[in-house]
This record gives sequence, C-alpha cells and structure tokens, in this order.
Amino acid sequence: EAGVAQSPRYKIIEKRQSVAFWCNPISGHATLYWYQQILGQGPKLLIQFQNNGVVDDSQLPKDRFSAERLKGVDSTLKIQPAKLEDSAVYLCASSATPSGRDTQYFGPGTRLTVL
Amino acid sequence: GEDVEQSLFLSVREGDSSVINCTYTDSSSTYLYWYKQEPGAGLQLLTYIFSNMDMKQDQRLTVLLNKKDKHLSLRIADTQTGDSAIYFCAERPILTGGGNKLTFGTGTQLKVEL
Repeated sequence: EAGVAQSPRYKIIEKRQSVAFWCNPISGHATLYWYQQILGQGPKLLIQFQNNGVVDDSQLPKDRFSAERLKGVDSTLKIQPAKLEDSAVYLCASSATPSGRDTQYFGPGTRLTVL
Repeated sequence: GEDVEQSLFLSVREGDSSVINCTYTDSSSTYLYWYKQEPGAGLQLLTYIFSNMDMKQDQRLTVLLNKKDKHLSLRIADTQTGDSAIYFCAERPILTGGGNKLTFGTGTQLKVEL
C-alpha cells in the first residue's frame, strides 16, 4: 500500500513570495490533515478536511494561508505572502476516518526555508 | 486547552531500557499516542492507549498511564541504535461533534550509544 505522498520535499523562497505544497493521501482515506512543524517543536494542526469539507481550521493563519481539497482526494496548501516565521516542515497526514482509533499516517513532509 | 510536555533529551546505552515521559493536561476522555520521527522522515505511529487503560504492551514497547497524575511513559526494552530518533507524545480528546485534534508535545530526542 502506497503511503502519503508530498511534494516538493524542499523549497527555498524569499519573504513575500508565494509557495504551494501538494499532498496525495492514502487511497480511500476520507480525512486529511496539514500540520506545521517548526524546528524543535511538535507538529501543530493547521487544517483538517473530511472528504472535501473543512472540519477544523482554527489554527490556520487565514490572512496568508489557504488550503483546498476540491475532489476529496489530493490537497494543496498555499502561503501567500510568506514570512520568515513560516520556515518549518509542513506535514500532511491522512486517516480512514476522523476517529481517534484510526491511525494518522504521515507523509515525509516539505521543508520550507524563507529567506 | 490541551498542553503536552516532554523532556527534551535522553541518552542510553545499547541494550539498556529507555523510559520516555510525558505529562498532559486534558481531563476528558482521550487517546494518548507515541510517535517516532527519524531524521528527514514523517511521523510513525508506535502505539496508543485510551485513557481508561493503565498499561499496554507491544513487543519491546510498554506504555504506562497514571491517570491521577496525567503522566504517560513509553518504555523501550533492549534499546538498539535503530531506536535513535525523536519520540513525540500526543493526545486526542474524545469530543462530541467531531474534530478530535491531535496535540503534540515538543518531542524527546533519544540517543543510543554503543
């Protein structure tokens, strides 16, 4: 079974530029998550999708971050414009359902450096 | 809100047991997880326990939960060099209405020395 795929693996941009990350979850997984992991910290949930609807985006900085999952499968996360403090690893995860019993499977992440 | 705390570093010798500790604050029914993160990789779920359990064992891993003190520990028996990684504790309260957000600790860096 293929795991969660993310691209690109690394991205370096200058502040005020835009960037987009892509995630392909495990086939059949209805729930998709985007996390931000700043160096030395644990991951923090940015947004959770159930199929193509948003369940929780309370910690998403909506003035600059946006995410979509139009067909309930792949998802993109965008930052526009980027700030220095957005430097982090962006992790995508998926699970079969939102239940706590269902394992969240994580992708390898995209490491973003904002200069 | 939920808060999860862990010590930052642990160093052990190969073959010894490792014990990684975590404290959490949420008082409702909750799932508690241990994840492993190797350099450049995503997070791998090792094991989880529901808050109405005291202990769970899975091969070399033993999870102990002290509900009164809200203290969770992960014991790795016969620690190997391949166990060197960052270990994250996370909790996920069982809430009505869905959502069920995972809150992670800061992670414990485990270093296994020969």
